Order: sequence, then C-alpha cells, then structure tokens
Amino acid sequence: DIQMTQSPPSLSASVGDRVTITCRASQSISNYLNWYQQKPGKAPKVLIYAASSLQSGVPSRFSGSGSGTDFTLTISSLQPEDFATYYCQQSYSTLWTFGQGTQVEIK
Amino acid sequence: EVQLVESGGSLVQPGGSLKVYCAASGFTFSGSAMHWVRQASGKGLEWVGRIRSKANNYATAYAASLKGRFTISRDDSKNTAYLQMNSLKTEDTAVYYCTRHLDYGDYWFDPWGQGTLVTVSS
Repeated sequence: DIQMTQSPPSLSASVGDRVTITCRASQSISNYLNWYQQKPGKAPKVLIYAASSLQSGVPSRFSGSGSGTDFTLTISSLQPEDFATYYCQQSYSTLWTFGQGTQVEIK
Repeated sequence: EVQLVESGGSLVQPGGSLKVYCAASGFTFSGSAMHWVRQASGKGLEWVGRIRSKANNYATAYAASLKGRFTISRDDSKNTAYLQMNSLKTEDTAVYYCTRHLDYGDYWFDPWGQGTLVTVSS
C-alpha cells in the first residue's frame, strides 16, 4: 500500500493566519492527490482534486500544490468556518489511502 | 440533487455479520465506482474498498487489513451499493460512509453519504 504522511497532526492558528499542511506519499503518485475537509459529525467534502484543482464552490483561499511525493494544502487567510480536520488522499494505486489528518484549531 | 444515503448500521456481536446499504440518486450510478470509507470514533478516515462499474467488470478491491472479511457488491437496477461484513471484530466499530467517483475520468470522492454507525460489541 502507498502510505500517506501528513504534518503537522494538529495546529493552532488565528483568524487571518496563513496555514500550510503538508502530505508526503511513500512513493510517487504523480498528481493523484486530493484534499478533504471534515467538520465534527459531518461527512468529508472535497476541497482540492488532482493536487491543485479547486472543487467548484470551494473558496479561493484554499489552494493545493505539489506532484510526485510532496504536496501542500494552503489556506491563505484562515476563516472561522475553516476550523476542521483536513485529510489528503491518494488515488494513484488500486488501493486508495488517506493521510492521518491534520486538525486545525482556534488559537 | 446528487445524494448518497447509507442505512443498515446497527449493534452486532463479535463474530457476527452485517450488511449495510448505500442508495444513490441524482447521478449516473451505473457509470460510477462505489467506495466505502470508515471512521472509528475520534480517528481518521480509512478506505475500506470499492467496486467498479459494469464497463470495468465490477472489479473489486479491498484494504489489506480486512483480510477477506468484507465484500462489496452493487445492483445497478436499484442504484444501490452494498457492504457485507463478516467475522466482525470490535475494532470494526465505526461510521461507514459510502462515496463515489466517476469510473472514467475523475479520481476523487464526491459526494459522500451521511454515514451509518456499526457497533460491534457483546
């Protein structure tokens, strides 16, 4: 299986801060990397697909970059509704896998 | 409206079996690959497995950790996917989500259902 490692596991930030979450794959996955946001008690929703494409309806403060093994999710100016857990997920191999998640908390 | 609705979650004893359901509407179910993802309380997301479309021979794949205990199937005439779980263990306790991707084209999960809770306990 391809292992996905996210960092940090959690972070505290203030409204207006720039936030960066990284995801590393155990082997090259080209750009088959997606990012999801999950709020407590809710299903995840896709934010970024194919490493850098913004899903329709998602605010432009979210962006993704990277290819191969190293990827980044950036929130340019954190808003109150962005406090949540974020997961990366690879769809390169037959067996799809998720990172362990990054919880973004209010400072 | 594009929608996935899971059902069938319940309390089951260790060693028991359970089948959960995922009803789809608002999109071309037959052209979609259907996946199951689970999440234990307070834990991260774990991909369980998937079934592809008829065009891809309904091919299935499962997380290695399940060791053959789970089976995914589908009925395109009913726009429904199924997850059959056998030899259940306490560590299978989780919310089970169904989700999909277009079998030729996109490779991300959208939409997701609301989840169904499976509790394995004596």
